[in-house]
Amino acid sequence: DAGITQSPRYKITETGRQVTLMCHQTWSHSYMFWYRQDLGHGLRLIYYSAAADITDKGEVPDGYVVSRSKTENFPLTLESATRSQTSVYFCASCKVQPNQPQHFGDGTRLSIL
Amino acid sequence: SQQGEEDPQALSIQEGENATMNCSYKTSINNLQWYRQNSGRGLVHLILIRSNEREKHSGRLRVTLDTSKKSSSLLITASRAADTASYFCATLPRAGSYQLTFGKGTKLSVIP
Repeated sequence: DAGITQSPRYKITETGRQVTLMCHQTWSHSYMFWYRQDLGHGLRLIYYSAAADITDKGEVPDGYVVSRSKTENFPLTLESATRSQTSVYFCASCKVQPNQPQHFGDGTRLSIL
Repeated sequence: SQQGEEDPQALSIQEGENATMNCSYKTSINNLQWYRQNSGRGLVHLILIRSNEREKHSGRLRVTLDTSKKSSSLLITASRAADTASYFCATLPRAGSYQLTFGKGTKLSVIP
């Protein structure tokens, strides 16, 4: 019952560096999502994917890149990290929409110095 | 853009009391969901209520939905210290993309 796992749990990096956050789910869920959580903003959707090789932008996609070559993996890459991208990042997955709950990982706390 | 807005932002109650949290939203929805988040953890799904439903129960949780007022409430009865967490409502729009929009949450503290 592994569920959905994110790695790393914590990451510190410097501005301008590229960093990739990993997300893996074992349920073969079709949909996967990346959110960021910031004080005062709640959760905001960065990107989502309806299936392998199908991705779409969410509310705050700028500065991020995603890919989904396999159903179970959905990595998020910050191509050139900025301090404004310091946040807690959550990955989630769900079965085919619409009336299905999302299942969340425990997050990656990312600090950009 | 925030769709759901929870009220109050913070709530502190004694163990055994009931806790009520409210959520208001702006546009037509397909469903509304409530999630709980313990400190340092991911969100956990609690209840999903469809737009054609008015009330739903799950254990000590009761959710109501009033689409005419674009609002929902989450009631936790006989609260326990373990209920201490942040609670978020999230809405799925009726048409278009399958993007959940989350509110900013209510922080519930249950004092033993």
